[in-house]
Amino acid sequence: SAVISQKPSRDICQRGTSLTIQCQVDSQVTMMFWYRQQPGQSLTLIATANQGSEATYESGFVIDKFPISRPNLTFSTLTVSNMSPEDSSIYLCSVAGYNEQFFGPGTRLTVL
Amino acid sequence: GQQLNQSPQSMFIQEGEDVSMNCTSSSIFNTWLWYKQEPGEGPVLLIALYKAGELTSNGRLTAQFGITRKDSFLNISASIPSDVGIYFCAGQGNAGNMLTFGGGTRLMVKP
Repeated sequence: SAVISQKPSRDICQRGTSLTIQCQVDSQVTMMFWYRQQPGQSLTLIATANQGSEATYESGFVIDKFPISRPNLTFSTLTVSNMSPEDSSIYLCSVAGYNEQFFGPGTRLTVL
Repeated sequence: GQQLNQSPQSMFIQEGEDVSMNCTSSSIFNTWLWYKQEPGEGPVLLIALYKAGELTSNGRLTAQFGITRKDSFLNISASIPSDVGIYFCAGQGNAGNMLTFGGGTRLMVKP
């Protein structure tokens, strides 16, 4: 399994601002994913981020709201743009193993 | 997005009791995964199942990949207080490595 770290672990932000979340992996991985977990809910895939190509977004998520960077095989960022209270969630990055996915500890975002 | 049907949604049990939870889907999956999430943490992989009918154990945990490939269950034997958390099933089909998650089972264990 991979060791995944995220920064920040939590943040409280004002509406209308943007926050960039970083995900660092201790080994090179081809596929990385970003998930959102709203309070008391399950995980919902935001997008798949492969190095060297544009991220692929799931239905209901758009690049203008959640721009993603994947500059190399060990790092990715997710930006939550123009935040509103509805964006308050845990944001998790994940990497694909052989046939599994491993998750980072998450970033708990509260938007006031 | 699409979710698997996971039940029960929550369980409150006495320490030492066995626990069973399951997931069902209208779609076939090639892999079933079971995760546990504790407060303030990301989901941690408990068991991965790769073949229909497969039965796999990890300590007190046992999971099975349903023969129809549309369901899976997780059993926890002799529960202890540290089993508390939310358990998620996830299915992986043919669409690359995309996972579809169940709604979660919140387990509470009374000492």
